[in-house]
Amino acid sequence: NAGVTQTPKFQVLKTGQSMTLQCAQDMNHNSMYWYRQDPGMGLRLIYYSASEGTTDKGEVPNGYNVSRLNKREFSLRLESAAPSQTSVYFCASSDGTGLKYNEQFFGPGTRLTVL
Amino acid sequence: GQQLNQSPQSMFIQEGEDVSMNCTSSSIFNTWLWYKQDPGEGPVLLIALYKAGELTSNGRLTAQFGITRKDSFLNISASIPSDVGIYFCAGPTRSNDYKLSFGAGTTVTVRA
Repeated sequence: NAGVTQTPKFQVLKTGQSMTLQCAQDMNHNSMYWYRQDPGMGLRLIYYSASEGTTDKGEVPNGYNVSRLNKREFSLRLESAAPSQTSVYFCASSDGTGLKYNEQFFGPGTRLTVL
Repeated sequence: GQQLNQSPQSMFIQEGEDVSMNCTSSSIFNTWLWYKQDPGEGPVLLIALYKAGELTSNGRLTAQFGITRKDSFLNISASIPSDVGIYFCAGPTRSNDYKLSFGAGTTVTVRA
């Protein structure tokens, strides 16, 4: 099992460019999440998908869109990148049911720089 | 959402030392999770706690769910160099919620 995979690992964009970050999990989890991590800020939730077919805003959704393509895949899109979106982006997944419903498992991250 | 305060913000460890860190919440939790993040990697789940007073170990790591349900503690015994990294506590955004709030982290560094 690969767990949670993310592509790309690194990306440099110019202001105004668009891109999509890809995430896939092979644990048959119901729920998936996108976070950003900035120095001294911990992890902040951008968007999440409680189950296939649903998506909802998290704490910092402005400037982002998401698509839950199927149960395995959850993508994050930046339509017009801004320097404030320079960050490390993590995808995570959880079972969403049962006793361990909120134990989240993280991917390796995408390091994004917007110039 | 829930406010989580971790302390200390950073610490230096010497090989062989026991160290501890804690996390406090402004509200009652029914779940506490502890993660570790190595440089350049994603956070890895270390320990999950589901019951007030619960004490759970994972190798040299021991975590406790505080009796008040507003705090949790993580202890590392007999530190080794690979213990360096950032340790995060996390808890549900709301009671029984699958979304998590994270503390800002405790950065552990080896003392030269």
